[in-house]
Amino acid sequence: IAGITQAPTSQILAAGRRMTLRCTQDMRHNAMYWYRQDLGLGLRLIHYSNTAGTTGKGEVPDGYSVSRANTDDFPLTLASAVPSQTSVYFCATSREANTEAFFGQGTRLTVV
Amino acid sequence: GQNIDQPTEMTATEGAIVQINCTYQTSGFNGLFWYQQHAGEAPTFLSYNVLDGLEEKGRFSSFLSRSKGYSYLLLKELQMKDSASYLCAVRDSNYQLIWGAGTKLIIKP
Repeated sequence: IAGITQAPTSQILAAGRRMTLRCTQDMRHNAMYWYRQDLGLGLRLIHYSNTAGTTGKGEVPDGYSVSRANTDDFPLTLASAVPSQTSVYFCATSREANTEAFFGQGTRLTVV
Repeated sequence: GQNIDQPTEMTATEGAIVQINCTYQTSGFNGLFWYQQHAGEAPTFLSYNVLDGLEEKGRFSSFLSRSKGYSYLLLKELQMKDSASYLCAVRDSNYQLIWGAGTKLIIKP
């Protein structure tokens, strides 16, 4: 089934632990994004990649890192989780940087 | 700073029409998007405006005035399944999407 797959769907994580959220797409889209969504706030961009091999920082990059070794995968790593990183994380893709974005189903992360 | 404003919540009646407004102040403008998000689900794309005027797509229409920094999403013949949050997003001069907090639309029978 074509689309965007995120894993895990949900996770409870102890503070201080390292965690990688996975995102895989089979749409052959060039651009990929990681957002977090918190109640009462709009989606906030964490990191993005306009094409394989390049990444950029979004609005709230601190505490997160990404890599884009190939077109399909865009993992998001929390080096040392903190409770303020409790959120719903969405991976998204777009064919190019200026076209509409498509979203994965989200990862609900709770840091305790 | 960059800012997208939308009402937090709106209520409408099944079968009626509702207009959700969005005003924006961004560094540059490269298009405005509307997304629908049902509770617990991912946002899904509804419409895109880059030029002034009205874009119609079935029961949904979206309007843009770049000079006023204003858009609205018009939903006609409301159905219960339209109960969702509606997100306004503007692509800025760096081609990054700036998102509003969303408008929760409640449809009553």
